[in-house]
Formats: sequence, C-alpha cells, structure tokens
Amino acid sequence: GQNIDQPTEMTATEGAIVQINCTYQTSGFNGLFWYQQHAGEAPTFLSYNVLDGLEEKGRFSSFLSRSKGYSYLLLKELQMKDSASYLCAPSDSNYQLIWGAGTKLIIKP
Amino acid sequence: GAGVSQSPSNKVTEKGKDVELRCDPISGHTALYWYRQSLGQGLEFLIYFQGNSAPDKSGLPSDRFSAERTGGSVSTLTIQRTQQEDSAVYLCASSFPQRGEDVNNANYNEQFFGPGTRLTVL
Repeated sequence: GQNIDQPTEMTATEGAIVQINCTYQTSGFNGLFWYQQHAGEAPTFLSYNVLDGLEEKGRFSSFLSRSKGYSYLLLKELQMKDSASYLCAPSDSNYQLIWGAGTKLIIKP
Repeated sequence: GAGVSQSPSNKVTEKGKDVELRCDPISGHTALYWYRQSLGQGLEFLIYFQGNSAPDKSGLPSDRFSAERTGGSVSTLTIQRTQQEDSAVYLCASSFPQRGEDVNNANYNEQFFGPGTRLTVL
C-alpha cells in the first residue's frame, strides 16, 4: 500500500531552525513535493525534489533520499508567519500526489 | 483567470438537500483534482480528471457523490442528499498533464489549489 509518515505536531522558537521529517512508501516514485498550508487556507507549493540531495530556496531547504524513502524540510530563521501545516506529498507511478496528514508547526516567540 | 477559482466560497445547506460545487482550473491545465479536508485533518482524495475523463474515481466516498467536467475546463462536484458528515472544505486543484519527460520539471507536476468551498450541512 501507499503510506506517508510525518510527525503530527512540532514546536519551535522564532529565529531557530526546525527539520520536519517524512518517510513514504509509494507504488513507483516520480518526485516529492512539500506544501505549506496556513489555517483556513489552501495548500501552496514550497519545494520539489526528484533526485537525491538537497534543494535550497532561501530560508527553506528540502532533502530527498529515494533509496531510504525519506525526505525532510528544513526551515531556517523561523518567523511567526511560518506557523502552518507542512504537507509531504510524493508522486507515484501514475504521477498522482499521495498526501500525508501534514505536520502542524507552532512557532513561539 | 490567473489561478484556480471555486464557487461558492461558503455553502450552508440542510441535511438531505443536494449541493453543487464548482471549480474553474488554470487555463491550459488539463488535469483536475477534487479533495476534501475536514477540520484539522489531511487532504482526502476524491476524484481526478484528465481532460473530460475521470481515470480515478476511487476516492468518492459513496454513490451520493459525483463529478463531471465538460470542455476540459470547468468541473462540478455534486453531493446528493447531503449528510452532516459531508461537512468539510472541498478543495480543487489543477496541473499540467502528467508526462514522463516532464518529471524533472516541477511545474508539470505541481498542483495549484483553489481557495476551497466550505460546506456546512445542518
């Protein structure tokens, strides 16, 4: 079957760094997406990895290991506006995104 | 328009009534997805369209739910004889068609979401 595993909730301090892990099992693999979803809003695209390694985009970086079925999202210099849910979504053999339940990130001053 | 639009933004209905939710995807996006999200929960896949056909209807929770897409553009999700457990936010997303040669290009796989329709069944 297809399965995504992420922590349900994490708490971090403003200005700090946090790493959100995701492990996945899918039927085939065609890349992995991370989305951000603020409460009451639709998800928005953050990053995409299709090859192993780290992709950096400003304060956000995403890492992928295809052999381990593992990805993480790294957020640096945390700001209060980063409080949101972060959704890990690998793409399967049919290019369909398989959605995890998301990790709710709470940023404290 | 520039993004995915959905209407209505909010719908309150009485149990047993039928409702229709509309999604207008980004121009040029032939793939269209419907999801449901209950409060504090993850995305629940409902149905996927490629053009006007629906290769994957596996997520529709019951035969009260149906969806259609005409002209390869606008889609409507219909819920008949609504129940209180149908209360949720219904999200629509669109993307370019999935093609193997585009797998390295996030733009072809990325799903763009509309603002959602919040459905409340009393």
